This record gives sequence, C-alpha cells and structure tokens, in this order.
Amino acid sequence: DAMVIQNPRYQVTQFGKPVTLSCSQTLNHNVMYWYQQKSSQAPKLLFHYYDKDFNNEADTPDNFQSRRPNTSFCFLDIRSPGLGDAAMYLCATSRDSGQETQYFGPGTRLLVL
Amino acid sequence: AQSVTQPDIHITVSEGASLELRCNYSYGATPYLFWYVQSPGQGLQLLLKYFSGDTLVQGIKGFEAEFKRSQSSFNLRKPSVHWSDAAEYFCAVGAATGGSYIPTFGRGTSLIVHP
Repeated sequence: DAMVIQNPRYQVTQFGKPVTLSCSQTLNHNVMYWYQQKSSQAPKLLFHYYDKDFNNEADTPDNFQSRRPNTSFCFLDIRSPGLGDAAMYLCATSRDSGQETQYFGPGTRLLVL
Repeated sequence: AQSVTQPDIHITVSEGASLELRCNYSYGATPYLFWYVQSPGQGLQLLLKYFSGDTLVQGIKGFEAEFKRSQSSFNLRKPSVHWSDAAEYFCAVGAATGGSYIPTFGRGTSLIVHP
C-alpha cells in the first residue's frame, strides 16, 4: 500500500523552464519534508511544513518554493531550473512528535537539459 | 548543530560474511539515531532507530546497531549478508525542534556484495 507517493518518478525539463514536483501521503501526517539528493551524496533538506507552517532551510535557494494546499499534498516548485538542480527529489512525512520516524516516497529524478 | 560521519564510502563483502558499517555523530545532547537503506532509484527505508533505553537496537532484515555514547558511534551490523542487501546505507542523527524532528544524514556507505 503506497503511503508516500511522488509524481512523476522521472521529470525532464529545459534550462529555465519552471517545473513542479508532486507529493501526496495517505498517512495523515502533520509534517512533510522535501529533500534534494545529488548523486552519491546525502539527502539535503530544502524545507518542511509543520501543518501549514512553512520552514525554509537557511541555505535553500530562492529558486525553490513549496506549497501545501492541504494535509495530503505538498508541491515543490523550481522556478528557473539550472543544470545544477538535476537531482533526485525526495518527499518525506512524519507525525508531529519529536520521536517519530520519517516515511519517504520513492523520489522524483529531475533531469535538466 | 548535529553532524554525522560515515567514514567508509564503499564496503565490499562476500555473501554470507558479516557486515559492520560505521557511523559517528556529533551532537550536544542525547541524539536520536537512525539507519536508512536506499536501493537504486528508490526512496529511503528505515532499518532501525535509537531514541533511548537498550543501546543494542534490532531492526528489520536482520540488522542491528549499537549506540555507544563514549565513542559517539552507532554502527550497523548484520551477521550474514545476502546479495539483496547491496544498497546505499545512510546514518542520520535527529534533533527535536519545535515538535518535528529534523535529521541530518551522513553521506552514505555503498554496500557491494560479491557472490
């Protein structure tokens, strides 16, 4: 049973062309996260939502935005993708306790041409 | 701020051999510690976690890890590796911040299993 779903699994975009990645969850978790993972590197947290409260990491570029219209959905918008933004983008969720496990989606691999 | 060091980028073992993946962390308080596994092209799956209590933690797929505060380590072990264990393994340390925890991941260790 899919719990954290990411669409699409693969996304190809052109340099500078806006792109949106989607994440949905069936766990009813309060917290949703977006990570960027480049090849052979650790996942890097971009931002997270605690309910509707948006928390941006200090070093996340302004080019990356996010929306969470409801509990189940969260979107990652890349306004002007550059070649350096090609990566795997991982969505994760957790409940609102400090001891809760994160559940990850399968990721969306973004290719920028 | 917390940090995680996984000193081994690659580990190669023979199928059936034992495995130990190293993880060292830096955090000022009692850490929350995790091991995740990532198969090629997939998301991360939690193997096990330590929050408190028994320092030897059992996880899924026959993995275990031991928290050693004196060494700031949380090494992952498995007594007999299967070919399907070949994957990327990430150690993470978490900190409770405002009700949600934000883990910091190590760079990962790639496990290669020879038949």
